[in-house]
Amino acid sequence: AQSVTQLDSQVPVFEEAPVELRCNYSSSVSVYLFWYVQYPNQGLQLLLKYLSGSTLVESINGFEAEFNKSQTSFHLRKPSVHISDTAEYFCAVTDGGSNYKLTFGKGTLLTVNP
Amino acid sequence: DVKVTQSSRYLVKRTGEKVFLECVQDMDHENMFWYRQDPGLGLRLIYFSYDVKMKEKGDIPEGYSVSREKKERFSLILESASTNQTSMYLCASSFIATGTQYFGPGTRLTVL
Repeated sequence: AQSVTQLDSQVPVFEEAPVELRCNYSSSVSVYLFWYVQYPNQGLQLLLKYLSGSTLVESINGFEAEFNKSQTSFHLRKPSVHISDTAEYFCAVTDGGSNYKLTFGKGTLLTVNP
Repeated sequence: DVKVTQSSRYLVKRTGEKVFLECVQDMDHENMFWYRQDPGLGLRLIYFSYDVKMKEKGDIPEGYSVSREKKERFSLILESASTNQTSMYLCASSFIATGTQYFGPGTRLTVL
């Protein structure tokens, strides 16, 4: 069985500050990893994913995440946040079993203050 | 672009009513999923389907059933709604051999 732990339920930051949202997973096999974002009153949108290859993956809006197999982590970072980044962020993992069913973390609410 | 639509954004029902939540996707995805989302608990999988008429229980199936008669449509049924089923319900779909799921906008269900 696999699980995902998002270490912070809430992260408040000021605009233009850097941010890191932490995600650790447990799995006995190779995994695929995802970050989803949920803006207020909306569904989840895929932010970025790691399937294979380069361990550093980037999104189009400046977020990046690094797959660290030895630490079983997939932390999400952004060097300078905007107020529009205020949202809830979910980390998810699949080992490809059960038709690639995802296991989600409980989410981290990022609040960017002016 | 992938589009997943859900029949209602907001729904208010009374205890004991039968409730249908509908989800439609337009990308010919094999997999479809129903989650509920509650504060502090994240997303919990209720049921998923990997083909027409095929379904598998998720982590919290009690009190729910599903129907998939056509590939693009996946329905969640609350046979007798209860107040503890007040929640945000999210539908998602994906191809069978990838993990990338595409989500609908959600239905916020209130059971009074």
